[in-house]
Amino acid sequence: DAGVTQSPTHLIKTRGQQVTLRCSPKSGHDTVSWYQQALGQGPQFIFQYYEEEERQRGNFPDRFSGHQFPNYSSELNVNALLLGDSALYLCASSPPGPGPSVSEQYFGPGTRLTVT
Amino acid sequence: AQSVTQLGSHVSVSEGALVLLRCNYSSSVPPYLFWYVQYPNQGLQLLLKYTSAATLVKGINGFEAEFKKSETSFHLTKPSAHMSDAAEYFCAVSDNQAGTALIFGKGTTLSVSS
Repeated sequence: DAGVTQSPTHLIKTRGQQVTLRCSPKSGHDTVSWYQQALGQGPQFIFQYYEEEERQRGNFPDRFSGHQFPNYSSELNVNALLLGDSALYLCASSPPGPGPSVSEQYFGPGTRLTVT
Repeated sequence: AQSVTQLGSHVSVSEGALVLLRCNYSSSVPPYLFWYVQYPNQGLQLLLKYTSAATLVKGINGFEAEFKKSETSFHLTKPSAHMSDAAEYFCAVSDNQAGTALIFGKGTTLSVSS
């Protein structure tokens, strides 16, 4: 049973460019969340997708957008990249409800984005 | 608003010694609490979770944590450290409803010496 997968593993972009990161959830999971982890920090919540809609959003600008597809996979798009966007971007998936298991989030290995 | 404070950004222990990583939370509703471990250049792995059942929670790799509402704490312990336990540990909180974000602490780096 494959876990959460993310692509690409590493990415180098220039300031002002746009980037798309991809995530496939764990089999049987229907909810995908995205987090940004700066060096030496804990992950920060960007947004969460469920039933192809953004269900919750953290304190990130509109340059950060996402999408969820019918097969539950997801994309994170970042426009007009800034040097401060350099980070590890983590995708996490959650199982369907009801019950407390819906709160569990299983993380992928992340995409390391470097903005120069 | 929910928040997590991890006391001690670095903890060093000897192999075989007790591991204690501290986590205090703030939540206006009954929380769900989690501990995750992150090895270098990897994603986060769920160690254990508290979801309002038993207050003493056992996880993988011999770790356990105790939910203490009166102290708003959820400290992580392991009786005997192993070299392979060296990693970054994160405590996280969410509220007890589906579809909510995890709020993470800043992490504690655990070093284990022989």
